[in-house]
Amino acid sequence: AQSVTQPDIHITVSEGASLELRCNYSYGATPYLFWYVQSPGQGLQLLLKYFSGDTLVQGIKGFEAEFKRSQSSFNLRKPSVHWSDAAEYFCAVAGGGGSYIPTFGRGTSLIVHP
Amino acid sequence: ETGVTQTPRHLVMGMTNKKSLKCEQHLGHNAMYWYKQSAKKPLELMFVYSLEERVENNSVPSRFSPECPNSSHLFLHLHTLQPEDSALYLCASSQEGGVYEQYFGPGTRLTVT
Repeated sequence: AQSVTQPDIHITVSEGASLELRCNYSYGATPYLFWYVQSPGQGLQLLLKYFSGDTLVQGIKGFEAEFKRSQSSFNLRKPSVHWSDAAEYFCAVAGGGGSYIPTFGRGTSLIVHP
Repeated sequence: ETGVTQTPRHLVMGMTNKKSLKCEQHLGHNAMYWYKQSAKKPLELMFVYSLEERVENNSVPSRFSPECPNSSHLFLHLHTLQPEDSALYLCASSQEGGVYEQYFGPGTRLTVT
């Protein structure tokens, strides 16, 4: 069965600092991977996805993620965080067992200090 | 309207009430989902409707009843809820027939008193 672990419940960074949010997955073959963001009072919005090809994926709002098969990881990065990036971030994996339905991690809450 | 819309955005109901949540998608998708999002818990998939299949999470109590009259509309009927059912209920849609990203609505914040 597919599963996702986001080891960090909360991450605090200063505005302008770089950011890396961790995501580890468990899956038998090449996974389909996603990062979503949820602002307060809103639904989830897709930041980026990896299905195949280049392992460095560019997304919206200046985010990128790198798929590392050897580490079963798909970490999200941003070189310079803005106060508006404060939100909840979810990693998700799909494709396990032939299911197209994604499994979500518990989420990482990003706090941005001015 | 564009994307995925949900009504109402907020709902307060007593344990003996009956209410329904509505979701509508304007994206031409063929699969729709209900999720429950509780504080400090993972996103919980409740139901999936698509042209190919209907999926139910067996742990969802029978006091939640989904209805999907067509590929654009999804309802969640609620009756005799418990306080622990208070949560954010999210609707999502996607294409089907493979792995595709999901598009989420803003959610309905449900409080059961």
